[in-house]
Amino acid sequence: SQQGEEDPQALSIQEGENATMNCSYKTSINNLQWYRQNSGRGLVHLILIRSNEREKHSGRLRVTLDTSKKSSSLLITASRAADTASYFCATDGAGGTSYGKLTFGQGTILTVHP
Amino acid sequence: EAQVTQNPRYLITVTGKKLTVTCSQNMNHEYMSWYRQDPGLGLRQIYYSMNVEVTDKGDVPEGYKVSRKEKRNFPLILESPSPNQTSLYFCASSPRTSGGQETQYFGPGTRLLVL
Repeated sequence: SQQGEEDPQALSIQEGENATMNCSYKTSINNLQWYRQNSGRGLVHLILIRSNEREKHSGRLRVTLDTSKKSSSLLITASRAADTASYFCATDGAGGTSYGKLTFGQGTILTVHP
Repeated sequence: EAQVTQNPRYLITVTGKKLTVTCSQNMNHEYMSWYRQDPGLGLRQIYYSMNVEVTDKGDVPEGYKVSRKEKRNFPLILESPSPNQTSLYFCASSPRTSGGQETQYFGPGTRLLVL
């Protein structure tokens, strides 16, 4: 079953606006990560939040994690055209044989218009 | 420069012709993994390795083999490629910790077309 699922699938905004993407998952996790991918290129790590953390910031990025709802959100503030990319959440399985397996969602395509 | 390299970057082959995609990292990472990316399906994990001589199946291992004889290298082998293995492949590595998966560093990708 799909562990991480992003919402919305696509998001189109104007430069300067904020962009919010959501991720839901099904099983217990140790960590949740967000990655960015420019068209057809390798993924770049943005931020990691551990299961015992609720919120984390990195520059214009803000990530929240609600383990009771099994969901996370990524907020990009004051967006720029250069933020145009696909954004993926990735979750690992907590404990036992699921360690080492990292499951990615299908991603949110963000388009920021100048 | 810390990086993950993959070769080749682009490959066109025919059904049944064995091929190997190499992956190498220079960060002394214990953990390495292979993913494939297909439109509408996101990234799916093929195989991963926790350390030398330790490999395990991901979500879509059928039709693939891997080996981890050295820490820095993790080749992906397609013994008899088929058209449904046409995809964009990514290798990734990360340091291993006891607290779950850490940041993964991705290679640039290998675009494979099987005719």
